[in-house]
Amino acid sequence: GENVEQHPSTLSVQEGDSAVIKCTYSDSASNYFPWYKQELGKRPQLIIDIRSNVGEKKDQRIAVTLNKTAKHFSLHITETQPEDSAVYFCAASTPTKGTALIFGKGTTLSVSS
Amino acid sequence: DTGVSQDPRHKITKRGQNVTFRCDPISEHNRLYWYRQTLGQGPEFLTYFQNEAQLEKSRLLSDRFSAERPKGSFSTLEIQRTEQGDSAMYLCASSFGGQPQHFGDGTRLSIL
Repeated sequence: GENVEQHPSTLSVQEGDSAVIKCTYSDSASNYFPWYKQELGKRPQLIIDIRSNVGEKKDQRIAVTLNKTAKHFSLHITETQPEDSAVYFCAASTPTKGTALIFGKGTTLSVSS
Repeated sequence: DTGVSQDPRHKITKRGQNVTFRCDPISEHNRLYWYRQTLGQGPEFLTYFQNEAQLEKSRLLSDRFSAERPKGSFSTLEIQRTEQGDSAMYLCASSFGGQPQHFGDGTRLSIL
């Protein structure tokens, strides 16, 4: 089955710096890779996703890149703000087959002002 | 609010008791997922419905766990003879086809 590894487990940056979180997946059949942000005590919220037919996707300060050959994908946050502080999870799945999301263990991002 | 809703938000029970949680997905979402999340971990998949059919169950789902989605709308997750290790946040998510999954706020279960 699918296995998703996520690094680093914690990341501390200064406000305005960039943050990068990396994930690798094991199942070459996976073709959908979302990122979720979870604040303490709240639900995971989708912030960006990418499908395997695309190499990069951007949404304002957030971007995701995908390397299918290496089976890894990354989240890039630019110009970080204190409100970006949260736990970020990557995940992988094959939604056309209805498979569930397999999550990484999360990265706790702390942005200090 | 037309998001995924879960009830109750918190459940405290004694070891050995049965508990049942409810999830109401976003209207017209045909897929419904249950996940379990423990402190410091990512959500772990438990089971998945497409309409009323339960199509996949994780090995994490022991015989004490059962889930239903009788009319293809809301779903219930029941845990029988609860154990200390069942303490966790139980999250429900829904989607339409291969579209992104949207999560509810979860039910936090505490076993005394």
